[in-house]
Amino acid sequence: GNSVTQMEGPVTLSEEAFLTINCTYTATGYPSLFWYVQYPGEGLQLLLKATKADDKGSNKGFEATYRKETTSFHLEKGSVQVSDSAVYFCALSPDTGRRALTFGSGTRLQVQP
Amino acid sequence: GAVVSQHPSWVICKSGTSVKIECRSLDFQATTMFWYRQFPKQSLMLMATSNEGSKATYEQGVEKDKFLINHASLTLSTLTVTSAHPEDSSFYICSARPGQGGYEQYFGPGTRLTVT
Repeated sequence: GNSVTQMEGPVTLSEEAFLTINCTYTATGYPSLFWYVQYPGEGLQLLLKATKADDKGSNKGFEATYRKETTSFHLEKGSVQVSDSAVYFCALSPDTGRRALTFGSGTRLQVQP
Repeated sequence: GAVVSQHPSWVICKSGTSVKIECRSLDFQATTMFWYRQFPKQSLMLMATSNEGSKATYEQGVEKDKFLINHASLTLSTLTVTSAHPEDSSFYICSARPGQGGYEQYFGPGTRLTVT
């Protein structure tokens, strides 16, 4: 079956530090890949997505590149802010069937001023 | 655009009672809605997929007689937790997918259920 593995948190960084959250996946075919963010007390929001190999998703300074050869979709940001503190979920949607999302376990990011 | 609401946002009920949670797509029609459960500090676990006008598809290990799902219209799906027990206490999240065959889902803010 499909699965998503992401690094465990919490990740604690100082403001303006570089962020990387690793995500790898297992799936057949050509899934779409996503990063969702959950701010404290709020629902999930789509942060960025990529639908095919070598695509780069980007939003709000965050980037992730769909690497089929390494089955990875690592999230990066060059300079984090306190407001980026949240839980980040990597997810995939298969290219067939119901296309339900499979989520990783989530990584909590804490950015300190 | 693409807003999904859930009602109630939180509910407390007594053991043995039933609770209904509504999920609405406010500005689009959703042929497919998903229901997830999230335990504290854990990921979302897909419970079931509902399609308008047909029976829901439940994930393995989810009791369909306990978690009743009704997708009555293109903008409304309901999850009813029947004969709730304390172990059903959790955060329930719905998502809705517009149109046919796409991959994007929009998430509701979630409903926190506490069973006493």
